[in-house]
Amino acid sequence: EVVMTQSPATLSVSPGERATLSCRASQSVSGSVAWYQQKPGQAPRLLIYGASTRAAGIPARFRGSGSGTEFTLTISSLQSEDFALYYCQQYYNWPPWTFGQGTKVEI
Amino acid sequence: QVQLVQSGAEVKKPGASVKVSCKTSGYSFSGYWLHWVRQAPGQRLEWMGWINPNSGGAEYAQNFQGRVIMTSDTSLSTAYMELSRLRSDDTAVYYCTRGGGNGDYWGQGTLVTVSS
Repeated sequence: EVVMTQSPATLSVSPGERATLSCRASQSVSGSVAWYQQKPGQAPRLLIYGASTRAAGIPARFRGSGSGTEFTLTISSLQSEDFALYYCQQYYNWPPWTFGQGTKVEI
Repeated sequence: QVQLVQSGAEVKKPGASVKVSCKTSGYSFSGYWLHWVRQAPGQRLEWMGWINPNSGGAEYAQNFQGRVIMTSDTSLSTAYMELSRLRSDDTAVYYCTRGGGNGDYWGQGTLVTVSS
């Protein structure tokens, strides 16, 4: 099973600043990584798939990059609605889907 | 628009079973796989398995083998996840999600509480 490890656990940023979230896979997953945003009491929302393709309706300030074992989600200019929990997920070697433990982006 | 609407919260005793439904609309039910993912309090998302609504074929995560059954009813565009022999550590929010390799639409979640 592929283990996904995210860092940092918590990221403190100010509105308007850039946030950079990292995700590392325990073995190569090619470009088969998705990123999700989750707010308290809500279901995850797909942001990025294929490591770098934005899902429908996702603003351009969300950018995904990486391949192999190292992946990054960059939020270029944080808006108030972007403060949330973010998860990466691999689907190269599934089943199972495996998720990272999450990064909380806080003010 | 695509919607996945899950059944309501459940409270169960240890050893009991729970069946969660996921009613879909706004797309061809048979055309997309459905996955079930759960989230225990303060924990990461955990994939439980998936079902092909067209064939009814399902595959389960090793952690749930023998305890979970996923089914679908194409006439109702609804998928079901039944988890048996519940334990306290099965307390979690259970989600259905549509997709192949990733979940593009998610249900709102169903809280299952296991407590004596």
